Amino acid sequence: AQSVAQPEDQVNVAEGNPLTVKCTYSVSGNPYLFWYVQYPNRGLQFLLKYITGDNLVKGSYGFEAEFNKSQTSFHLKKPSALVSDSALYFCAVRVWKAAGNKLTFGGGTRVLVKP
Amino acid sequence: DARVTQTPRDKVTEMGQEVTMRCQPILGHNTVFWYRQTMMQGLELLAYFRNRAPLDDSGMPKDRFSAEMPDATLATLKIQPSEPRDSAVYFCASGEQGALYNEQFFGPGTRLTVL
Repeated sequence: AQSVAQPEDQVNVAEGNPLTVKCTYSVSGNPYLFWYVQYPNRGLQFLLKYITGDNLVKGSYGFEAEFNKSQTSFHLKKPSALVSDSALYFCAVRVWKAAGNKLTFGGGTRVLVKP
Repeated sequence: DARVTQTPRDKVTEMGQEVTMRCQPILGHNTVFWYRQTMMQGLELLAYFRNRAPLDDSGMPKDRFSAEMPDATLATLKIQPSEPRDSAVYFCASGEQGALYNEQFFGPGTRLTVL
């Protein structure tokens, strides 16, 4: 079975500092990996995805993520955080070409960027 | 710009009552997902449809929940009878062909409170 772990419930960072949100996954095949962000009282918004190819993926709002197969990780990063980045971030995984498998979400990490 | 819409946004009801939540996917999207979000369980996939046909509803309690797509512009999630443990935010998401590998577009959610 596939699973996703986000080991930190909350990440606090000062505005302007680098932001990292951690994600590790467990699958039996090749993974499709996603990051979504949820602002208060809103639905999830897609940030970026890794399907294949370059391990460094660039997404919306200046976010990027690095796929590391040996460490089974897909950490989300932003070089300089903004107060407006404060939100709930979800990592998700789906196994490549595994018909019928679901998109599995991690538990979410709340990011608080302080001015 | 195109968005997934959900109604109602908030619903408070008493235990035993029937609840119907509606979702209008983005025009042209042929895949629709229903998710439930709670503090304890996080984000769970309840069911998804492709071309209006249910592909997987294994995440949904069968005895009280039902999901349908009467037409391509409307998806419904019904709970009958409702119970306090059903209190959660229910999200609908839609996507294009191959949405399981591409991004999903989420609606704003329906916050359900069962007293």
